[in-house]
Amino acid sequence: NAGVTQTPKFQVLKTGQSMTLQCAQDMNHEYMSWYRQDPGMGLRLIHYSVGAGITDQGEVPNGYNVSRSTTEDFPLRLLSAAPSQTSVYFCASTSLEGWGNTEAFFGQGTRLTVV
Amino acid sequence: SQQGEEDPQALSIQEGENATMNCSYKTSINNLQWYRQNSGRGLVHLILIRSNEREKHSGRLRVTLDTSKKSSSLLITASRAADTASYFCAPIVSGSARQLTFGSGTQLTVLP
Repeated sequence: NAGVTQTPKFQVLKTGQSMTLQCAQDMNHEYMSWYRQDPGMGLRLIHYSVGAGITDQGEVPNGYNVSRSTTEDFPLRLLSAAPSQTSVYFCASTSLEGWGNTEAFFGQGTRLTVV
Repeated sequence: SQQGEEDPQALSIQEGENATMNCSYKTSINNLQWYRQNSGRGLVHLILIRSNEREKHSGRLRVTLDTSKKSSSLLITASRAADTASYFCAPIVSGSARQLTFGSGTQLTVLP
């Protein structure tokens, strides 16, 4: 059981480049979310999804796009990377059944540097 | 969003001592979860306490919840160097806006 898989683990981008951070889960979870973690800032919610075809914005959505075409995958797209997007990104998933009564599972993170 | 705020921001103790960290939140909740993050890794679920529970134990972990004060505490007894990590709470609110959010966490350092 792989859980939540994020790729790549590390990435260096030049300002203005685009890229997609991949997130996949094999637990049939309806809820998936993306966070960024900066030093001393904790985890800030970027976007989340409660099912295929449904996405919504979190606390810091600007500069990021998401889509949810399948239950398993929730990619995060940076259309034009900026140095302010240098951060560690985490993807998480959990079941919607009895919302909040089951644990969330996290990927191992993607460390992104924008130069 | 319902974001918990952990306190203190940092805590340093000797191995064998107990560590207590607190979480405060703003609105009514269904339950509250605690997570641990080892350096550079994803969060790992530790324990969940429901709004109708006041205390819960899991191994060396003890969690309390006071809904009247909108606060929770996590106690780690007989701490070990391996407990060195950041700890986060996640208050869970019912309703249509199902956001799983976290505060800045408590950085716990257990000195050997």
